[in-house]
Amino acid sequence: GNSVTQMEGPVTLSEEAFLTINCTYTATGYPSLFWYVQYPGEGLQLLLKATKADDKGSNKGFEATYRKETTSFHLEKGSVQVSDSAVYFCALSGNRDDKIIFGKGTRLHILP
Amino acid sequence: GAVVSQHPSRVICKSGTSVKIECRSLDFQATTMFWYRQFPKKSLMLMATSNEGSKATYEQGVEKDKFLINHASLTLSTLTVTSAHPEDSSFYICSASAGFSGNTIYFGEGSWLTVV
Repeated sequence: GNSVTQMEGPVTLSEEAFLTINCTYTATGYPSLFWYVQYPGEGLQLLLKATKADDKGSNKGFEATYRKETTSFHLEKGSVQVSDSAVYFCALSGNRDDKIIFGKGTRLHILP
Repeated sequence: GAVVSQHPSRVICKSGTSVKIECRSLDFQATTMFWYRQFPKKSLMLMATSNEGSKATYEQGVEKDKFLINHASLTLSTLTVTSAHPEDSSFYICSASAGFSGNTIYFGEGSWLTVV
C-alpha cells in the first residue's frame, strides 16, 4: 500500500540556517504529494503541493520538488525563521481517491 | 477564511459519556469527508472515509461501533465517540473533498477531546 517516510525529529536549527526535511514515498501510480504544517496549538495547514513528476511546490519560502526517479519530496528553505517552528508532515494522496496518507511528522525548532 | 469548520474545538467529557464532533464544509458541497486522529507526538491516523448518504468506510483497527460517523448532508459529517474512555483523549481532525481526484482537500481546525 501507499506509505510516506520522513526524517525523524526533532530538528533544531539556528535562525537563518538552511533547512532540509527528507521525505520519501511508496505508491502505485502517480500520487499527489503534499507538505502540511501544524503550528503549536493549531490545526493542519497545507504548505505546498505537487501533483506530477518534476513539479515544484513553493510557499512562504519553502520548496519541494516531486522526484519520481527517487520517489522523494524533500522540503527545503534557504533561511528559516523562529516563526517556522512547527511540525511538518509529508503526505500523499493516490490518483484514485482523496484519502491522504501522512508521514509521522518532523518537529522543527528554530532558535533565535 | 476557513472553508471547513469543526466544532467544538475543545471538549472535556466524563468517562462513559458520548461526545459528538461536527465537521462542516462552508463554501462547497463535500461528497467525501475524512476523519483523522492524532496521537501525541505521532502522525495523523486515518480513521474512516465518510461518503454522503452511505455508510462510512473504516480503516483497519478502528472500532466502528465506538466511533460513529454520519454524513447526512453534503455539508456536514459528524463523529460521535461513544462511551468515551480516557484513552480516547486525542486530537480529531476532519478533511473534506468535493469528490474528484486531484481536488484540493481542506482540513478543519481540529477538535481536542479530553476524557476525564
